[in-house]
Amino acid sequence: NAGVTQTPKFQVLKTGQSMTLQCAQDMNHEYMSWYRQDPGMGLRLIHYSVGAGITDQGEVPNGYNVSRSTTEDFPLRLLSAAPSQTSVYFCASSPDRKSGNTIYFGEGSWLTVV
Amino acid sequence: AQKVTQAQTEISVVEKEDVTLDCVYETRDTTYYLFWYKQPPSGELVFLIRRNSFDEQNEISGRYSWNFQKSTSSFNFTITASQVVDSAVYFCALSGLNSGGSNYKLTFGKGTLLTVNP
Repeated sequence: NAGVTQTPKFQVLKTGQSMTLQCAQDMNHEYMSWYRQDPGMGLRLIHYSVGAGITDQGEVPNGYNVSRSTTEDFPLRLLSAAPSQTSVYFCASSPDRKSGNTIYFGEGSWLTVV
Repeated sequence: AQKVTQAQTEISVVEKEDVTLDCVYETRDTTYYLFWYKQPPSGELVFLIRRNSFDEQNEISGRYSWNFQKSTSSFNFTITASQVVDSAVYFCALSGLNSGGSNYKLTFGKGTLLTVNP
């Protein structure tokens, strides 16, 4: 059981480039989400999905797009990277609609935009 | 809106000391869950505990204990006889069950960096 898998683990981008952070889970979880972690800010929710075909914005959605075409995958797209998007990104998944069930996090993706 | 406050940015202790990490939360939800996560220097998030709003019993797990007090909206975490391996950033988080009952997302505090010195 691989859990939540994020790729790549490390990435350096130039300003204006686009890229996609991949997130996949093999636990058939309904809920998936993306967080970013910045020094002194904790983790903040970017986007989340409550099921295939359904996505919604979190606290800091600007500059990011998501889609959920399958239950397993929830990619995060940066269309035109900016230095302010330098951060550590975590993907998470949870098994059902009840708040508070075990939330599984990926190992994180370290992104630097120069 | 939900909010989690971890007022202690950094704590430094000597090994074997007891240390308490504070967490104060705000939510209008009547049903919610509180979490603690550990983030060691390697960067991954390690789940420590989940507590629902209807269960105010304190919990102990080895050297770890948690004190949940709804009256003061606090969910504090104590490490007894700290060890160097406890050095990490610790996050408190809140997940509220909105009216209608199907939304889900975590609100994190800013974290407390705990350094345990030998």
